[in-house]
Amino acid sequence: DTEVTQTPKHLVMGMTNKKSLKCEQHMGHRAMYWYKQKAKKPPELMFVYSYEKLSINESVPSRFSPECPNSSLLNLHLHALQPEDSALYLCASSQDLGGGDTQYFGPGTRLTVL
Amino acid sequence: AQSVTQLGSHVSVSEGALVLLRCNYSSSVPPYLFWYVQYPNQGLQLLLKYTSAATLVKGINGFEAEFKKSETSFHLTKPSAHMSDAAEYFCAVSEATSGTYKYIFGTGTRLKVLA
Repeated sequence: DTEVTQTPKHLVMGMTNKKSLKCEQHMGHRAMYWYKQKAKKPPELMFVYSYEKLSINESVPSRFSPECPNSSLLNLHLHALQPEDSALYLCASSQDLGGGDTQYFGPGTRLTVL
Repeated sequence: AQSVTQLGSHVSVSEGALVLLRCNYSSSVPPYLFWYVQYPNQGLQLLLKYTSAATLVKGINGFEAEFKKSETSFHLTKPSAHMSDAAEYFCAVSEATSGTYKYIFGTGTRLKVLA
């Protein structure tokens, strides 16, 4: 099973709402990632978890809060977002946090902030 | 510092023609290089990767890429384009050294296949 699943597929939220994105993998991978992708742009790395610990935070605003409850799950909690945060949010996982490790991507959550 | 440059944001080829998507990189250490494909409203799928085992790397769907250190290039090719190859293609470089981790994508090339 080389699948990374993400829920929901689509999310529309207001600027005062609190919502969460969920990502799950059952490949035994120990590294998990959140990316943000704007239209016609490449993915931008937001957070990296390695062995359930936050390893990298690419200076992401605090209105985005990641959480890794266990080795298979990764959440992204959203609060007080801005319309410019509307994007495709991609989750990925890899065997480890090594340069040559392949990242497996989920289908993404399309987020619209009104 | 690492970087990736993809020449040509849009490439059009006829069905059955050669596909050539260009990627140049810069890296201070031997790089790991990747090509991903993204179909509309989907995630990224790995086509192939270079990890120094062989300079000519074969991937899925008939794609291959050749690592040329002297040219700092990792161009993606396919001998004969198929309509289903129409998508966005991203080249990426990664580096993990001494507690730091970088995974950088190029700006992408949209491939259009003409009937």
